[in-house]
Amino acid sequence: DQQVKQNSPSLSVQEGRISILNCDYTNSMFDYFLWYKKYPAEGPTFLISISSIKDKNEDGRFTVFLNKSAKHLSLHIVPSQPGDSAVYFCAASVTGNQFYFGTGTSLTVIP
Amino acid sequence: EPEVTQTPSHQVTQMGQEVILRCVPISNHLYFYWYRQILGQKVEFLVSFYNNEISEKSEIFDDQFSVERPDGSNFTLKIRSTKLEDSAMYFCASNNRLNYGYTFGSGTRLTVV
Repeated sequence: DQQVKQNSPSLSVQEGRISILNCDYTNSMFDYFLWYKKYPAEGPTFLISISSIKDKNEDGRFTVFLNKSAKHLSLHIVPSQPGDSAVYFCAASVTGNQFYFGTGTSLTVIP
Repeated sequence: EPEVTQTPSHQVTQMGQEVILRCVPISNHLYFYWYRQILGQKVEFLVSFYNNEISEKSEIFDDQFSVERPDGSNFTLKIRSTKLEDSAMYFCASNNRLNYGYTFGSGTRLTVV
């Protein structure tokens, strides 16, 4: 199952700078997209969502961008904080029920 | 903040035994899910549940798996005859469908020996 890919396994960013996490997908039928972050020994925590009718959604420091023609999704965190250090997963769904997850990107924010 | 609660946090079982993983979703949520993550692999969808019935299930969710909401608050996943390859972290989740973002529990680590 390679429908959702996160090609960068890790990313390091200085505190206060922008973190950009990327996600690519192959299924053009995906209509719903989510970003989660996960700390060790915890379940994923929902961050932000976007549906295919929009190309941008913003919530505080988090902004998700959707480029449907490129089948590309990105999460911007501005400004990055040390507490943002976690593994970030993107997920996509056709129906809103079954979500396909990427493999995750481990973000480290350096104080 | 409301939480999804999963018990136990870790379960060890012998191959061929039945296990029941338990979850208490957030009380006003209507949609319930089970996902799993085998060590080093992706988080994978198992099943979604709404209005006391399965709404969608994946190929992983075969006849060995079943779900139940026995009493209006608990949501359980049963594996009838466990196999070694069922060893994984199992996550329960729920939502109210407003933004499709689930609230996940902390997971149950199932180890089949």
